[in-house]
Amino acid sequence: SQTIHQWPATLVQPVGSPLSLECTVEGTSNPNLYWYRQAAGRGLQLLFYSVGIGQISSEVPQNLSASRPQDRQFILSSKKLLLSDSGFYLCAWSPSGGTEQFFGPGTRLTVL
Amino acid sequence: GESVGLHLPTLSVQEGDNSIINCAYSNSASDYFIWYKQESGKGPQFIIDIRSNMDKRQGQRVTVLLNKTVKHLSLQIAATQPGDSAVYFCAENRRSYIPTFGRGTSLIVHP
Repeated sequence: SQTIHQWPATLVQPVGSPLSLECTVEGTSNPNLYWYRQAAGRGLQLLFYSVGIGQISSEVPQNLSASRPQDRQFILSSKKLLLSDSGFYLCAWSPSGGTEQFFGPGTRLTVL
Repeated sequence: GESVGLHLPTLSVQEGDNSIINCAYSNSASDYFIWYKQESGKGPQFIIDIRSNMDKRQGQRVTVLLNKTVKHLSLQIAATQPGDSAVYFCAENRRSYIPTFGRGTSLIVHP
């Protein structure tokens, strides 16, 4: 069966510090991968998605970036965090050509 | 977008009652719809889906209704339980692999 992992589960970072959140998927090949951000009490905002290794599409211009160095690994990064980057970050995957998404447990990021 | 910026609407029900959560979509070309449930501090989980060639689909205690004429989707939960308390999102597929999520509805079940 397929599983999706995200880490860390929680993170507190100072403003201006770098960020690296990792997401890995097991049990499937060539998945579509997604990064979402969810502010407290809000909906889901799609940040990035990828349909293959090295391919990244950005939905929202900001100081975040994403990379997909391996087929089942998706990384969300920032060189300098802003206060507004605080939120709940969710990684998701869907089968290639599929529509249903499967979400990871999320990372709660607090920027102070 | 709207689903990101606004506070979530809330539906409060008594345990044992039926719950109806509504969602409006905008693109008549959407051909696939999904309902997700998100418990506090967790990622969303799939509940039920429906394709545009259907009007109704039933699962265990849940029913999704699709009205393409008015672009309206609803999720009905029978005999609502405290464990059903969560935020519920509808999603429509406008592009083949990029779903568009609705704003979400917070369901609160009172014992």
